[in-house]
Order: sequence, then C-alpha cells, then structure tokens
Amino acid sequence: DQQVKQNSPSLSVQEGRISILNCDYTNSMFDYFLWYKKYPAEGPTFLISISSIKDKNEDGRFTVFLNKSAKHLSLHIVPSQPGDSAVYFCAASGTGAGSYQLTFGKGTKLSVIP
Amino acid sequence: DTGVSQNPRHKITKRGQNVTFRCDPISEHNRLYWYRQTLGQGPEFLTYFQNEAQLEKSRLLSDRFSAERPKGSFSTLEIQRTEQGDSAMYLCASRLTHTEAFFGQGTRLTVV
Repeated sequence: DQQVKQNSPSLSVQEGRISILNCDYTNSMFDYFLWYKKYPAEGPTFLISISSIKDKNEDGRFTVFLNKSAKHLSLHIVPSQPGDSAVYFCAASGTGAGSYQLTFGKGTKLSVIP
Repeated sequence: DTGVSQNPRHKITKRGQNVTFRCDPISEHNRLYWYRQTLGQGPEFLTYFQNEAQLEKSRLLSDRFSAERPKGSFSTLEIQRTEQGDSAMYLCASRLTHTEAFFGQGTRLTVV
C-alpha cells in the first residue's frame, strides 16, 4: 500500500522554463509535507516543506502547493536551471501513532536541458 | 560540521557476516530515523527513535536488523548474518518534533 505516490518517474524541462513535480497521498493522518532533492550516492537534501494549515509555501525559486481536498501537492521550480537536475522525492508525516515516520514516494528524475 | 554524520560511508562484507553502522544526529534533534534505499526506489522506513525510545519499527524489517539509541544521542544499526538482498544505501535522518528532517550522507552496504 503506497501512501505517497509520484506517478511521473521522469521529467525533462528546458533551462529557464518551469518544472512542475507532482505528488499524491492517501493517508488522512498526514499533516506535514516535504520535498527532497537527491544526487546519486548522497543522502537526500531538504528543499522545502508545507504544513497542512497552509496551501502554499515559497522559498526563492521553489514553491510548494498543497490541495488537501484532492490530497495532492506539487513543487514548482522557476526558472529551472541545469543544476536542478536530480531525483526529487516527496515525503509526508503526521502526528498520530504510526505516522511519525516520513513516508516517501518513489521519486521523479528531473532533467533540465541547457 | 553540525549536520548528520554517518559512518562508515562504504562497507563491503561477505554474506553471513554481521555489520554495524553508526549515526550521529544533529545534537538538539530528539527524533532519529533509519531508512534503506535501493536503486529506483524512495527511502524505505526501517525504524524511528524519539530520544532513546524506539517507537516504531517497520513490519517488513527482519529480526536480523536491530537498532539502538543509548542515552538519546548517537544510534547504531546492526545487521546480523547479512544476505545479498541487504545490499543498499542505509540512511539516517534527524529532526525536531514536527519539522524538516535532515539526512546524513548514507552508508553504502555491499554484500558479496
């Protein structure tokens, strides 16, 4: 039972354009959502997070949108840069027993083409 | 360096041997997690500590895996009688109660 789903294994975007990465979740106990970026042979690097009391959080070129009714969140990167090429993971956690862990999706590999 | 530190970075072991990994979290973080990641997959939850108490453990985790966090500081993950299927990247992360989690660089285990 995959509670966090990233349905696009890969995405290619031209440099300077917008990258939109999507994530869906099924567990209603989740109330905190995070995006991580990962390069090969390294640990995930935290990018941005959002609490369920908000629907948008912005940090520089990165914006995360949360649609609670649809159980959907997305990460927007504007403008995309070649250095953004990496695997992006969506993660979620909650406050109830059994949901303290971070549950990850399978990731989306972003390629930004110069 | 005040980030999460994991040792060793790489470990090659023969099948059937025991291995132990260490994680030093960010000092003020009370929550510590162990994850395992294989190629093409997201990090898979193994176990979670709040201070020194192990509060959650994956139902998929074999009895060959054990973790400790004495005194709520560093943590160790031991795998007994390693199998080739244990080959993976083992990740440690720490966080304060309900904030972002920070990961270490991981320990790459290869069982031959």
